[in-house]
This record gives sequence, structure tokens and C-alpha cells, in this order.
Amino acid sequence: GEDVEQSLFLSVREGDSSVINCTYTDSSSTYLYWYKQEPGAGLQLLTYIFSNMDMKQDQRLTVLLNKKDKHLSLRIADTQTGDSAIYFCAEREGGDYKLSFGAGTTVTVRA
Amino acid sequence: SAVISQKPSRDICQRGTSLTIQCQVDSQVTMMFWYRQQPGQSLTLIATANQGSEATYESGFVIDKFPISRPNLTFSTLTVSNLSPEDSSIYLCSVPGQAPLYSNQPQHFGDGTRLSIL
Repeated sequence: GEDVEQSLFLSVREGDSSVINCTYTDSSSTYLYWYKQEPGAGLQLLTYIFSNMDMKQDQRLTVLLNKKDKHLSLRIADTQTGDSAIYFCAEREGGDYKLSFGAGTTVTVRA
Repeated sequence: SAVISQKPSRDICQRGTSLTIQCQVDSQVTMMFWYRQQPGQSLTLIATANQGSEATYESGFVIDKFPISRPNLTFSTLTVSNLSPEDSSIYLCSVPGQAPLYSNQPQHFGDGTRLSIL
């Protein structure tokens, strides 16, 4: 089965960049996603990347994909207090719509 | 992107009772997914609900405990039966993008139903 791993915690100073890392094991992954979950809220899709891409940038967010190493990262530039949340990495295999999630990285932004 | 509405947003239930969660989507989708997020944990897929056929359950989840209905292309329900404290979780509905046959759209989630068992 699929296995997605993330570091559990990240503390970053306001204004600095945050980098959240994720590794996965399924070489047939076609799409990889980053979701954000704020306290008491549902999942918000932040960004996603197709497996044939190695980078995607969307305003303050940069996703890097190293398919050879099965490594995905999310960089948040100029991190703000509103970025404090749990960030989930997820992968989708082939034509299957099911997603496998990592355990989530809790990002804490300190002043 | 699809707009997903879940009801109720939260509930507190007695042991042994059942709770039915509703998921309404503003566009037609062939697949709807139900996930569970136990306290402090990640999301686990419970089942895939397809219109016109029985739901497909993941390992560790059974129809008797989590019956699902999918009467049309915009609506589904998940029932959590014979509730016990271990069922205290967030239950989330998810759909793949906007159109029923698009395969390259990201999945979107409802805000979830927070269930606590007394």
C-alpha cells in the first residue's frame, strides 16, 4: 500500500520561509497535493502538482517534486501568523481517485 | 471548484445510537468519498460511494458499521452505527473536482462533521 511520511512539527519565525517535507513510496503516484487544516476547520486545498512536473509556484507557495527520490516539499515564503495550521501531504495513484495522506505537519509561526 | 456542504457540522451522541451525516455537492460527480480523521491523526478513507452501485469499503471498514447511501449524483449519506467512544472523530466528505469525468482535478473536502460520543 501507499505510505506517505511527513515531519510532525515545524516552528518558524514570522517573515521567514517555511519548508515542509514529504516522502512517499508509490512510484505510480500521479498527483500530489498539499492541504491546510486550521483548528476546528476542514481541509483546504492549497496546491497540487502533477507527477510530470518538478516545480509549481503559486504566489507565496512553491512546490518541488523530486520523483526519483519520491520527495515533495512545500515552501511558504514570508510566513505569516495566519499560516499556522496543520499541513497534509497526499498522493493519488494512477487513475484511482483515492488519496493517501501523511500524518500532517503542525506549523507554528512565532513572532 | 465544487462546493461541498456537510450536515451536521458537529454532534454529541450517546453510546449505542447512530448518526447519519449528509453531504451535498453543488455539481454532479460520479464519485464521492468518505474519510475519517481520528483525534490528532491523519485522514483515512472509509469508502467510495458511486451512484447506482454499492459503496466500496476500505480494509477495516464494513457496511454494517458504516452504511452509505448515494441516491443521486449530488448527494450521499454516511451513517455511523452503534456508536462507541472510538468513533469520536471528524468525518469528511470529498469529491474529485468539478466535473464527473475529469480525472485531473484535485479533490475537495467538506468542512467535516465533528462527532463526540458520550
